[in-house]
Amino acid sequence: LAKTTQPISMDSYEGQEVNITCSHNNIATNDYITWYQQFPSQGPRFIIQGYKTKVTNEVASLFIPADRKSSTLSLPRVSLSDTAVYYCLVGGYNKLIFGAGTRLAVHP
Amino acid sequence: DAGVIQSPRHEVTEMGQEVTLRCKPISGHDYLFWYRQTMMRGLELLIYFNNNVPIDDSGMPEDRFSAKMPNASFSTLKIQPSEPRDSAVYFCASSTSGRNHEQFFGPGTRLTVL
Repeated sequence: LAKTTQPISMDSYEGQEVNITCSHNNIATNDYITWYQQFPSQGPRFIIQGYKTKVTNEVASLFIPADRKSSTLSLPRVSLSDTAVYYCLVGGYNKLIFGAGTRLAVHP
Repeated sequence: DAGVIQSPRHEVTEMGQEVTLRCKPISGHDYLFWYRQTMMRGLELLIYFNNNVPIDDSGMPEDRFSAKMPNASFSTLKIQPSEPRDSAVYFCASSTSGRNHEQFFGPGTRLTVL
């Protein structure tokens, strides 16, 4: 399973756009890229999933370059409630391998 | 739908005791997952089922851990005997192949083994 590398922590302010980049140099042809969000004392929550190019939903956008060796989660106009840990996962549908994630702190 | 239901939410037990964690997946979901989360090791997949059949239990730490899924609406994770190093938050999640395989996590069970 491909290993992912993402920043340990990030800081932002309310109303700003936040981009979290994840590296996955060993991604396999059949692997999907999935992002989850986890608030304290809660289970992770699915944010977005993609295979290539760009995917957008009501919460975020996911940008994947042609070589698929990295991906960027974009959160538009963050608020205090977006403070959480964000996990980038690469692999098949079921065997999710969670790394340490990126701890995002949004400040007033 | 009520989402994934786990019980108990908190469990405190003494070393050597048997612990049983319970999970009710979302109705209609055919995959069920058990995870463990600790500060040191992060979030780890222990085992997952498809249509009540265990598919991959390679994450189960040792023979003291066992999981069952007797029917589509219920699963248990048992630890016997429990040890202090088993203290963690245990999450159950379920998914269906029809929606990006998005996994829906329960609220977790916080286990403390004294």
